[in-house]
Amino acid sequence: GAVVSQHPSWVICKSGTSVKIECRSLDFQATTMFWYRQFPKQSLMLMATSNEGSKATYEQGVEKDKFLINHASLTLSTLTVTSAHPEDSSFYICSASQGFHEQYFGPGTRLTVT
Amino acid sequence: EDQVTQSPEALRLQEGESSSLNCSYTVSGLRGLFWYRQDPGKGPEFLFTLYSAGEEKEKERLKATLTKKESFLHITAPKPEDSATYLCAVQARGSQGNLIFGKGTKLSVKP
Repeated sequence: GAVVSQHPSWVICKSGTSVKIECRSLDFQATTMFWYRQFPKQSLMLMATSNEGSKATYEQGVEKDKFLINHASLTLSTLTVTSAHPEDSSFYICSASQGFHEQYFGPGTRLTVT
Repeated sequence: EDQVTQSPEALRLQEGESSSLNCSYTVSGLRGLFWYRQDPGKGPEFLFTLYSAGEEKEKERLKATLTKKESFLHITAPKPEDSATYLCAVQARGSQGNLIFGKGTKLSVKP
């Protein structure tokens, strides 16, 4: 099956600093990548959709200047949380797909902001 | 508004006790319905895609079915390792391919 990796798997940062999370599709070229966040015991909430070489499309209520998404190649997308605050602490998960087919998810990144 | 509702929220089964999970959906044109399994602290694992009413797919002890309003995930003779949260999601025609998820059903299988 298709494999998607994320790095780091967990990160602790201080309030006001920025954190970058990488998402890679290891064995296929992903035309579209998605970023989700998940709070404890809740389902996944889509943050943004990105296509290679294009600007990301953010969901309503998601601050695009705070959550910077770059999809520079067909195998790599990055999410940068800028000026992180404790309320940004969450489980961030990326997924990748080829066109309008199933999405394959990464293992997630646990972000804790102190 | 596109919406996915899963029931029950939680399900406890004895090993070998078969059951079904329900996913009801409303969507403005269904492109596909997806089932995923998620273990605690991990990303969702893809199970099935269903595209049209009447379609069925099977994988080991799992079987997914689809009607025009809902999907069922049947679990036959479950084992403790089937314990996980099962997520249902729909993809609407005209979307960029994003998925709309239900809240999931947390399945616990006791030996």
